[in-house]
Amino acid sequence: DGGITQSPKYLFRKEGQNVTLSCEQNLNHDAMYWYRQDPGQGLRLIYYSQIVNDFQKGDIAEGYSVSREKKESFPLTVTSAQKNPTAFYLCASSAQGYSGNTIYFGEGSWLTVV
Amino acid sequence: RKEVEQDPGPFNVPEGATVAFNCTYSNSASQSFFWYRQDCRKEPKLLMSVYSSGNEDGRFTAQLNRASQYISLLIRDSKLSDSATYLCVVNKANSGYALNFGKGTSLLVTP
Repeated sequence: DGGITQSPKYLFRKEGQNVTLSCEQNLNHDAMYWYRQDPGQGLRLIYYSQIVNDFQKGDIAEGYSVSREKKESFPLTVTSAQKNPTAFYLCASSAQGYSGNTIYFGEGSWLTVV
Repeated sequence: RKEVEQDPGPFNVPEGATVAFNCTYSNSASQSFFWYRQDCRKEPKLLMSVYSSGNEDGRFTAQLNRASQYISLLIRDSKLSDSATYLCVVNKANSGYALNFGKGTSLLVTP
């Protein structure tokens, strides 16, 4: 089945550690995104990529890094510089072509700092 | 002003009721509008796109007023399964195809 796979679903991180969240899609979509959601809050854009080997900062990129070496993959690293990383992380993708393209989400990854 | 604003609710309605949600957006250059549904601790899923002329999908009707920068969602004959958070979504200008999400309006349909 086509879709977006995020892993792990649940992750615990010690303070000072970097962690990487995986996102893979087999929808042949060009664009991929990372959003963060805090309880009772809306989704906030961390990074997005419209094409392989290119990505742009979203609204809250500080403390995060990404790469886009393959069309199918857009991993997100939460670095120790991110001061409040506990959140629900959502990866998404969309086809290119016009601004009305729908974005589809993976099931999300829950990150908790312990 | 926030880019996308919604009344957080909660809206508590009985089964069979009609309920309407409103949303305003700040960027007049926005071109794409959507309603997403999000269940508790799950990912958002597309409910429907919103077109300038208004559109309907079964019990759901979406309206767009560009002049007022206002979007609405009407749910008729509410079902228990409609209980969820409804997210108003607008494309981010100058950010490829990235989207701005409202914080959502919570709906609880009761027996």
